[in-house]
Amino acid sequence: DQQVKQNSPSLSVQEGRISILNCDYTNSMFDYFLWYKKYPAEGPTFLISISSIKDKNEDGRFTVFLNKSAKHLSLHIVPSQPGDSAVYFCAASVPAAGNKLTFGGGTRVLVKP
Amino acid sequence: EAGVAQSPRYKIIEKRQSVAFWCNPISGHATLYWYQQILGQGPKLLIQFQNNGVVDDSQLPKDRFSAERLKGVDSTLKIQPAKLEDSAVYLCASSQDRGELFFGEGSRLTVL
Repeated sequence: DQQVKQNSPSLSVQEGRISILNCDYTNSMFDYFLWYKKYPAEGPTFLISISSIKDKNEDGRFTVFLNKSAKHLSLHIVPSQPGDSAVYFCAASVPAAGNKLTFGGGTRVLVKP
Repeated sequence: EAGVAQSPRYKIIEKRQSVAFWCNPISGHATLYWYQQILGQGPKLLIQFQNNGVVDDSQLPKDRFSAERLKGVDSTLKIQPAKLEDSAVYLCASSQDRGELFFGEGSRLTVL
């Protein structure tokens, strides 16, 4: 039972253009959502998060959008840079129930120079 | 500030052998997690500790996996006996009460 899904396993984008990564979830109890970035042979690093009381959160080139009614969130990277090439994981939690994260399967992003 | 430390980084064993992984969380982080990441998949929670007590071990295969967190700081994850399907990266993470988890670099296990 995959409660968090990233349906696009990979994404290729030209440097300077927008990268859009999508994530769907099924558990309506999730109320905190995060994106992590992972380079090969390294652990995931936190990128950006959003609480369910918001529909948008922005941090520099990264913006996360949340559509609670659709149980859908997306990550926008503008403009994309070659250093953004990595695997991106969407994660969700119920902070009141222990803060553990449930991860999606990841999307591999390749930014071409 | 030092990050989450894990060792060993790589381990190769034969099936039915045993292996242990060690984790030292970020200082002051009460919550510690072990995740298993199989190639091509997202991390899956194995066990969560709050100080030295277990909060969630519902997805830990208890017939072969065990974990402990003595004194509420360091933690070890043991697999005995290992199976081929245990080949994965074992990620340790820590957090304060709420908010993001901070991950270590992981321990890559190959079972032959």
